[in-house]
Amino acid sequence: EIVLTQSPATLSLSPGERATLSCGASQSVSSSYLAWYQQKPGLAPRLLIYDASSRATGIPDRFSGSGSGTDFTLTISRLEPEDFAVYYCQQYGSSPTFGPGTKVDIK
Amino acid sequence: EVQLVESGGGLVQPGRSLRLSCAASGFTFDDYAMHWVRQAPGKGLEWVSGISWNSGSIGYADSVKGRFTISRDNAKNSLYLQMNSLRAEDTALYYCAKDVKTYSSSSGAFDYWGQGTLVTVSS
Repeated sequence: EIVLTQSPATLSLSPGERATLSCGASQSVSSSYLAWYQQKPGLAPRLLIYDASSRATGIPDRFSGSGSGTDFTLTISRLEPEDFAVYYCQQYGSSPTFGPGTKVDIK
Repeated sequence: EVQLVESGGGLVQPGRSLRLSCAASGFTFDDYAMHWVRQAPGKGLEWVSGISWNSGSIGYADSVKGRFTISRDNAKNSLYLQMNSLRAEDTALYYCAKDVKTYSSSSGAFDYWGQGTLVTVSS
């Protein structure tokens, strides 16, 4: 099983700032099959990025993904008020697993 | 509009069984793999099981292997999860989720999710 770690656990930022979230894998993720999700309280997760860097339908271009192998990054170029949430990475190169999440909260 | 509606959750005693259903609409169901993902109260996400578009590829998390069975009925646009020998640690909100790619295997990313159905395992 591929274990994913996410850092930091919590990121405190102000609207308008840039957010950089990291996801590390215990072994290489084949074909860069790595996704990012946003989840707000009481709601289902929302797919942001898949295949490491492809934006899902309807996702604003302030969200971008990068990386390969064992190191991946989600960048939010300028935080909007609605972006404060928990973000999860997920690999699907083998039996899918999720990271523990990064909470982005308002500073 | 894609809609996924789960049902079948509830309170069940340890060791008993439960069957979850997911009714899908708004897309060509038999073109896509489908998945179950769960979230224990206050915790993170855990993939439970996935099934390819034609049921030819099926996968399970180690935590449920041998106890849970996923299936689908493409004629009814429905996904199922038969859960046997339930344990307290199976308590969670169970989401039905659609794969983002057509004709993928039992492993994928999920672009549409239902609202979830709560399963509580307790005596």
